[in-house]
This record gives sequence, C-alpha cells and structure tokens, in this order.
Amino acid sequence: DQQVKQNSPSLSVQEGRISILNCDYTNSMFDYFLWYKKYPAEGPTFLISISSIKDKNEDGRFTVFLNKSAKHLSLHIVPSQPGDSAVYFCAARAPTNAGGTSYGKLTFGQGTILTVHP
Amino acid sequence: DARVTQTPRHKVTEMGQEVTMRCQPILGHNTVFWYRQTMMQGLELLAYFRNRAPLDDSGMPKDRFSAEMPDATLATLKIQPSEPRDSAVYFCASGLVRLSGANVLTFGAGSRLTVL
Repeated sequence: DQQVKQNSPSLSVQEGRISILNCDYTNSMFDYFLWYKKYPAEGPTFLISISSIKDKNEDGRFTVFLNKSAKHLSLHIVPSQPGDSAVYFCAARAPTNAGGTSYGKLTFGQGTILTVHP
Repeated sequence: DARVTQTPRHKVTEMGQEVTMRCQPILGHNTVFWYRQTMMQGLELLAYFRNRAPLDDSGMPKDRFSAEMPDATLATLKIQPSEPRDSAVYFCASGLVRLSGANVLTFGAGSRLTVL
C-alpha cells in the first residue's frame, strides 16, 4: 500500500529551464511534506518542507506547492542547474502523537531521477 | 557538521551468512530510523526507535531481521540468515522529533549490501 507515490521515475530538463517533480499521497492525515535530494553513493539530504496548512513554500530556487484537495504536491526548481541532477524523494509525515507509533515517521515515495542537461 | 555514521559502507557476503550493520546517530537526537532503498519501493521503512525504545518494526521480515539500540550512540540492524533478495542499500537516519514542526531526518551515507 503505497501511501506516497511519485509516478514519474525520471525527468530530463535543459539547464535554465524549470523542473517540476510531482508527488501524490493518499493519507489525508499527513501534516507535513518534505522533499529530499540524493546524490549517488550518498544519503538523502533535506531540501524543503511544507505544512499541510500552507499551499506554498519557497526557498531560493526551490518552491513546493501543496494541493490538499487533490492530495498532490510538486517541487519546482527554477532555474534548473546541472548540479541539481539527483534523485528526488517526496516524503510525508503523519501527525506526531506522543503516545503513538507514528512519532516522527516519514513515508517516502519511490523517487524521481532528475537529469539537467547543460 | 553533525553527521550520522554508518558502517560498513559496502558488504559482500554469501547467502546464509549473518550481516550486521551499525549506525551512530547524531548526539541529542531522540529518534533513529532504518530504511532500505529498493528500485520498486523507493525508501522503505524497516524499523525505528524513540529514545532507544523500539516503536515500530512492522516493515522488517521478523524471521531474519532484528534491530536494536544497545545505547544512545549505537543502533544495529542484523540479518540472519541473509538472502540474495536482501541486496539493497540500507540507510540509518536520526532526528529530533517534537510534537510540532516538520521533523527533519538526517541520513547516513548508507550501507550497500550484496548477498551472493
């Protein structure tokens, strides 16, 4: 049961253009969404997050949009750079319950390989 | 920079052998997670701990996998006996989880396991 899905295994973009990575989820109880970037032979690193009460969060070239009614979020990278080439993972967090088992747990999607061509 | 340290980085073993992966989380973090990266499932949660107590290990095949946290500086993931389908990259992550705010997990570099 994939609660977080990234349906595009790969995306190829020209340098300077916009990259749009998509993510869908099924659990309406998720309260935070995060994007991680992963380079080969390294662990994922945190990129940007958004609370479920917001619809947009921006950090430099990276913007995350959340559409709660569609249970969809997207990461926009503008302008794209060759150094952005990596695997991007979408993650979602269920509400943290001090007594529950979802304490800080992140559910990840399958990842999207982004290639930015010079 | 504080970091999560995983050992070994690479392990090649034969089917049936025991494999132990180790993780040193960031000091002060109250949660430790074990994830496995596969092509089909992405990052799959195996088990995790809060203040060293196991919270959820439902993602692990219980008959062969075990996860422990003997002290605050060490988490272990053991596979016994190992099988070829266990070949994957195993990530440890730690985080300081609070009831509010997005909790950001810091990942180690991973342990790449190959079972022949």
